[in-house]
Amino acid sequence: AQSVTQLGSHVSVSEGALVLLRCNYSSSVPPYLFWYVQYPNQGLQLLLKYTSAATLVKGINGFEAEFKKSETSFHLTKPSAHMSDAAEYFCAVSDANTGRRALTFGSGTRLQVQP
Amino acid sequence: EPEVTQTPSHQVTQMGQEVILRCVPISNHLYFYWYRQILGQKVEFLVSFYNNEISEKSEIFDDQFSVERPDGSNFTLKIRSTKLEDSAMYFCASRVGQGLTDTQYFGPGTRLTVL
Repeated sequence: AQSVTQLGSHVSVSEGALVLLRCNYSSSVPPYLFWYVQYPNQGLQLLLKYTSAATLVKGINGFEAEFKKSETSFHLTKPSAHMSDAAEYFCAVSDANTGRRALTFGSGTRLQVQP
Repeated sequence: EPEVTQTPSHQVTQMGQEVILRCVPISNHLYFYWYRQILGQKVEFLVSFYNNEISEKSEIFDDQFSVERPDGSNFTLKIRSTKLEDSAMYFCASRVGQGLTDTQYFGPGTRLTVL
């Protein structure tokens, strides 16, 4: 079964610092990978997705993620954190092999941005 | 921008009662999903729905759960006899198709509290 692991349930950075949120997947074939963000009292919003095209994926709000097959990773980065980036971030996977589109989520990482 | 809406935002019910959670997917979307997130845990897939039938369900989606698209706009999740462990945030999602570039759009969620 597909799964994703997010290292670090809480990450705290200073405003202007690099944001790095880690996600590793387990799959025998490269899956489709997604990052979603959840702001307080809101639904899940797609930040970016990898669907076997370019390995470096750019998303909204200045975020990007790089698919590394050798490391089975899909870490999310942003060069300079903004206060408005404070939210919970979820990595998710769906099966590219079977066409199953239901998402399997990681446990989430809460990002705090300190002034 | 079109969005998925869910009502109510918060539902409190007594154990053993039936609840219906309502969702209005984006109007031209054909695939519908329910997920749930128990407090402090991962977002978990419950069920997917296409062409007026369930296309996939998880082991969580037992006989206590049912889904319906009663008209052209609503998509509902019914829990027949709620248990304490059904307390969770329930998210509805929809997507236009099954293509690689199709994104699941999530609603803001309904927080269900079973007393």
